[in-house]
Amino acid sequence: QSALTQPPSASGSPGQSVTISCTGTSSDIGSYSYVSWYQQHPDKAPKLIIYEVHKRPFGVPDRFSGSKSGNTASLTVSGLQADDEGDYYCNSYAGGKNLFGTGTKVTVL
Amino acid sequence: QVQLVESGGGVVQPGTSLRLSCAVSGFSGAPGFSFSDYAMHWVRQAPGKGLEGVAIIWHDGSHDYYADSVRGRFTISRDNSKNMLYLQMSSLRAEDTAVYFCARDKSSVGVSSLEDWGRGTLVTVSS
Repeated sequence: QSALTQPPSASGSPGQSVTISCTGTSSDIGSYSYVSWYQQHPDKAPKLIIYEVHKRPFGVPDRFSGSKSGNTASLTVSGLQADDEGDYYCNSYAGGKNLFGTGTKVTVL
Repeated sequence: QVQLVESGGGVVQPGTSLRLSCAVSGFSGAPGFSFSDYAMHWVRQAPGKGLEGVAIIWHDGSHDYYADSVRGRFTISRDNSKNMLYLQMSSLRAEDTAVYFCARDKSSVGVSSLEDWGRGTLVTVSS
């Protein structure tokens, strides 16, 4: 079982937007609407920021948005803030398995 | 607010066994919102690496799933009467060295997202 593919890094200036892609296959992202995204700061536990492709948990600002097209999911962070800097992971249900993406390090310039 | 606390990590030699525990609290007891209503996960993160899903167990313990890298060596279990999740690890290898997180799924059968996470426990496999 292979991990979902994400770009290693992404960056933007404060106030700008950054979009992270997450590429899977027809056996995972392409077949299910159970795509989620997690934010992780150094030495902290991951935090759920998007679930079921585009839904936000209570307390997560609407600057975070998710979408999916075919076998690829995307996370967009708008109005970048310093606290958005960290690692981001996608995740997809894959018929009994639970696959994480390779992770993207977001830098706020 | 649901809280998860892992324990049982440590330094062990290759080929040995270790059992991790995860204590879950904060459920109101209202119908549909108790520990026994949710699937649970173990996720690990090797030093400087990404997240890897290790194992999933359904809400009632009737089904479990494992990553290829641990199948046959690790066993996930739960005790719904004690709000506890476990991971029995055997034949440990150096590549099992990681921080192990327990996490609660939004669904009962492990299809959804990991809504709540513990802070993790470090397992180091070294001679």
